[in-house]
Amino acid sequence: AQTVTQSQPEMSVQEAETVTLSCTYDTSESDYYLFWYKQPPSRQMILVIRQEAYKQQNATENRFSVNFQKAAKSFSLKISDSQLGDAAMYFCAYSQRRGNTPLVFGKGTRLSVIA
Amino acid sequence: DGGITQSPKYLFRKEGQNVTLSCEQNLNHDAMYWYRQDPGQGLRLIYYSQIVNDFQKGDIAEGYSVSREKKESFPLTVTSAQKNPTAFYLCASTKGLVPYNEQFFGPGTRLTVL
Repeated sequence: AQTVTQSQPEMSVQEAETVTLSCTYDTSESDYYLFWYKQPPSRQMILVIRQEAYKQQNATENRFSVNFQKAAKSFSLKISDSQLGDAAMYFCAYSQRRGNTPLVFGKGTRLSVIA
Repeated sequence: DGGITQSPKYLFRKEGQNVTLSCEQNLNHDAMYWYRQDPGQGLRLIYYSQIVNDFQKGDIAEGYSVSREKKESFPLTVTSAQKNPTAFYLCASTKGLVPYNEQFFGPGTRLTVL
């Protein structure tokens, strides 16, 4: 079974600085998708960024970018110019393309932003 | 505005009682999901449904039941068989049948069993 591991339960960053959240996953599939979801204190989950495994180019969404290392099965999220509103739980998730298998989530990383 | 609604936001029940959590979406999404969230555990899948009148068990289905009689509705019943039901419950949906489309989440229901 696929697993997703987030090894950093908590992280902190100074406002305007850059922080990287780590995620590793285990799969034997070659075609899959990876996601980062954000859950702020309101607990409303929203999608931050998505990466398709067959695309070598790292996905970017404004201040959010990923470092996707397929061979290493690593999928880290970089947040640049951190803002107070970035404080949240961040969940890494995996979905294989074959078989309609539901998302598998990591346990999350709580990010604090220090003013 | 399109979205997912969950009600109520907070729910209190006595031990041994069944309770039903509501989830409604007006996004015309095909697939719907129920997750349980506990501190330090991430999101764990309870049940999911990809079409009306069909649903599959997730990783922690024991003590829960669902129905999918309408495309827009996917209620979750927490039965007395669930050993530790106090948790935060999230409902989600995706367009189409594939889970790798973006999941849209509801605001959640916090269930406390006294």
